Amino acid sequence: QKEVEQDPGPLSVPEGAIVSLNCTYSNSAFQYFMWYRQYSRKGPELLMYTYSSGNKEDGRFTAQVDKSSKYISLFIRDSQPSDSATYLCAMSAYNNNDMRFGAGTRLTVKP
Amino acid sequence: SQTIHQWPATLVQPVGSPLSLECTVEGTSNPNLYWYRQAAGRGLQLLFYSVGIGQISSEVPQNLSASRPQDRQFILSSKKLLLSDSGFYLCAWSDPRGRAYNEQFFGPGTRLTVL
Repeated sequence: QKEVEQDPGPLSVPEGAIVSLNCTYSNSAFQYFMWYRQYSRKGPELLMYTYSSGNKEDGRFTAQVDKSSKYISLFIRDSQPSDSATYLCAMSAYNNNDMRFGAGTRLTVKP
Repeated sequence: SQTIHQWPATLVQPVGSPLSLECTVEGTSNPNLYWYRQAAGRGLQLLFYSVGIGQISSEVPQNLSASRPQDRQFILSSKKLLLSDSGFYLCAWSDPRGRAYNEQFFGPGTRLTVL
């Protein structure tokens, strides 16, 4: 079993839809949970981070962490064509040198 | 502001040839540095990380090696490339004095094709 599981998609939605992206993990030591966005042929950029369980909202983006279920989610409201990218979840225990990434979900938002 | 550079952007090399990818960071000092490989549909795999000059930790045994000759320079090398070394190589840095989760900032990447 992989430490971090993420459905690679691809996921295609119409503009304005609500998008739900998810990851599951097996290591209960993970405390920091991150979502990165990666445009084609570019390096990933940090989109959201959450510490331990809970929700965090930033504009159209909401990150949720459920440590009891070892499940994290990223919601995108009112999705835009510019949101088309690959979204990678990442997580680590205290030591950031041990960050583990999901495979990434490729999202396309159609105008 | 901090910036991270990688070169070359793309590289096509024959099997058995050597490799040298370079990464440099500007605008910060004593960063943690990382090399990742990203294969299609497999996410980012941490290859090496460094917390200081000459200090390299390897995550995955392979025919690749890394060196940090200067504080803000990180080099990924191979003496003989394998077909399986093809992929998208990303360098990243983080500030060990920063927030607890130590956000990693990624470079633009090098796309390596081994033929």
